[in-house]
Amino acid sequence: QKEVEQDPGPLSVPEGAIVSLNCTYSNSAFQYFMWYRQYSRKGPELLMYTYSSGNKEDGRFTAQVDKSSKYISLFIRDSQPSDSATYLCAITGEGYQGGKLIFGQGTELSVKP
Amino acid sequence: GAVVSQHPSWVICKSGTSVKIECRSLDFQATTMFWYRQFPKQSLMLMATSNEGSKATYEQGVEKDKFLINHASLTLSTLTVTSAHPEDSSFYICSERGLVGDNEQFFGPGTRLTVL
Repeated sequence: QKEVEQDPGPLSVPEGAIVSLNCTYSNSAFQYFMWYRQYSRKGPELLMYTYSSGNKEDGRFTAQVDKSSKYISLFIRDSQPSDSATYLCAITGEGYQGGKLIFGQGTELSVKP
Repeated sequence: GAVVSQHPSWVICKSGTSVKIECRSLDFQATTMFWYRQFPKQSLMLMATSNEGSKATYEQGVEKDKFLINHASLTLSTLTVTSAHPEDSSFYICSERGLVGDNEQFFGPGTRLTVL
């Protein structure tokens, strides 16, 4: 079983739709959760960083963590064509292997005008 | 968040030559940097952890003699791909951790290496 599972998509939605991106993880010791956005041929950009169960909101983006189910989500409201990118979840634990992140496979999102 | 730069952004080289990629922390001193490679349509694969003033820690399966990492200062880490071959063609990305005690990483813009 992989440490982090993420549906690779691709996911195609119309402009204005609500997008839900999800990851599951297997190790309950993981306690820090990140979502990155990566445009084609660019480095990943940190979107959200959270370490507790519940929701964290930043503009149109909401990160949700359910530690009991080992399930994390990223919601994008009022999606825009500029949101078209690959979204990667990443997790780690306190002092985990020198700060290594475990990445999901990435979900490719396309928002159509 | 932290600001990381990489140079060059794109390099083409002949098979058998060596290529050096620089990763710089622009806004604070980074004692730890990470080097990743990414193939098309795939996720990031950690190659090594670079610690200032000490030898890098390589992931299983990554040849340390082929991918030389130097982290001589708190703001600069370099990755040298020695005797490059076409199968080394990939997207190489470095990252640094946030402030002490934080767990997120901030990534550079990446370097696209094409070996002919």
